[in-house]
This record gives sequence, C-alpha cells and structure tokens, in this order.
Amino acid sequence: SQKIEQNSEALNIQEGKTATLTCNYTNYSPAYLQWYRQDPGRGPVFLLLIRENEKEKRKERLKVTFDTTLKQSLFHITASQPADSATYLCALDSWGKLQFGAGTQVVVTP
Amino acid sequence: EPEVTQTPSHQVTQMGQEVILRCVPISNHLYFYWYRQILGQKVEFLVSFYNNEISEKSEIFDDQFSVERPDGSNFTLKIRSTKLEDSAMYFCASSSAFRGPYEQYFGPGTRLTVT
Repeated sequence: SQKIEQNSEALNIQEGKTATLTCNYTNYSPAYLQWYRQDPGRGPVFLLLIRENEKEKRKERLKVTFDTTLKQSLFHITASQPADSATYLCALDSWGKLQFGAGTQVVVTP
Repeated sequence: EPEVTQTPSHQVTQMGQEVILRCVPISNHLYFYWYRQILGQKVEFLVSFYNNEISEKSEIFDDQFSVERPDGSNFTLKIRSTKLEDSAMYFCASSSAFRGPYEQYFGPGTRLTVT
C-alpha cells in the first residue's frame, strides 16, 4: 500500500508569512490528491483537490502543486493568519477511499 | 450550509459490549464512509457504502464491524464486541459521487472510549 509522508514537526510561522507543507508518497501516483484541515477534536474539512494532470490549483490564499515525477505535493498558505493554525492533512484519493498522511501542524503567531 | 451530523459525541463502553454509532449524512449525498482516528495517529479508512451495500472495506473492518442504512437518513456503524483497541474517534463522511474527484464531507466525530 501507499506510504504517505508529511512533515512530522510542527511548522511555526509568523503572521503574514507563507507556510509551505510537503506531502510525499511512494508507489503509484493517485489520480487525485486532496488536502484537508483538521482542528483538535474535529473532523477533517476539505480544502483543495488536484488532479494528476494539473500542476497547480489555487483557492483564495491557498495553493497546491502536484508533481507526479517527484511523487510530491506542496501546499502553500500565503499571508498566513492566526486562524490558519491547525493540522493539515494530505490525502490520496484511491477511487473514493481516502488514504491520509499523518498531517502537519501549523502554528501561526501574531 | 448542509453538514454531516453524528451521535453521540462521546460514548463510553465496557470491553465486550456492542456499540452503535450514528450518522446523518448530507441529504442529497449517495456515498457514505466511516473512518477512525486513534489518538495521536492518522485518519484511517474503514468502509465505504453505496446503494445499500459495502463498496470497499479496509483490513481494520473485520467481522466485528458492520454498517447499515436503516432508513433514508441514518447511516450506522456497529461494533459487536468492543476491544480496548477500538478506542478512537470515529468519523462519518459523505460525498455526492464516488469514482471521481469529489470531496468528502466529514462529521464532527464520535469519541469511543472502551474500558
């Protein structure tokens, strides 16, 4: 099965800066890759989805890239705000079954 | 905005007891899922369900687990004889489609504690 790796260490970042998170996977490239946000004690919330034939996707201050050659997705939060503090999960979409990474915690300080 | 709801928010049970976790998916969604998250670990897929039958299940979803859509709105996960290692947060999710790029909407979760 796929191994999905996300930065295990928390990312501490100052308000206004750009946070960049990495998601690496092994084996086959999925047709789709999704990013979710999870707050403590809550369910994941969908943020962005990118297809294998898309290089980049944007939504407001969020940007996702997908490099199937490197088997890597990057997730960017620009102009970060304290409200962006959460854990961000990468998920490989295997025909409806989401396989999640362990997530990267982001802490944005004022 | 429509949302997935789950009850109860917290369930405490003794080892060996049966539990039923309940979910109300978003009303026009057709595909339903259960995931679990053991404290401090990643979210893990358990099962997907469509048209009143299981579409796919993981190795975790053994004979102790079952799912059901007893009526037009509820979707349940039953654990027949709970074990200590079943203690986790259980999330229900739904989506409007299955085989394609469709996001899943997650409920707030039920925290199951097995003592």
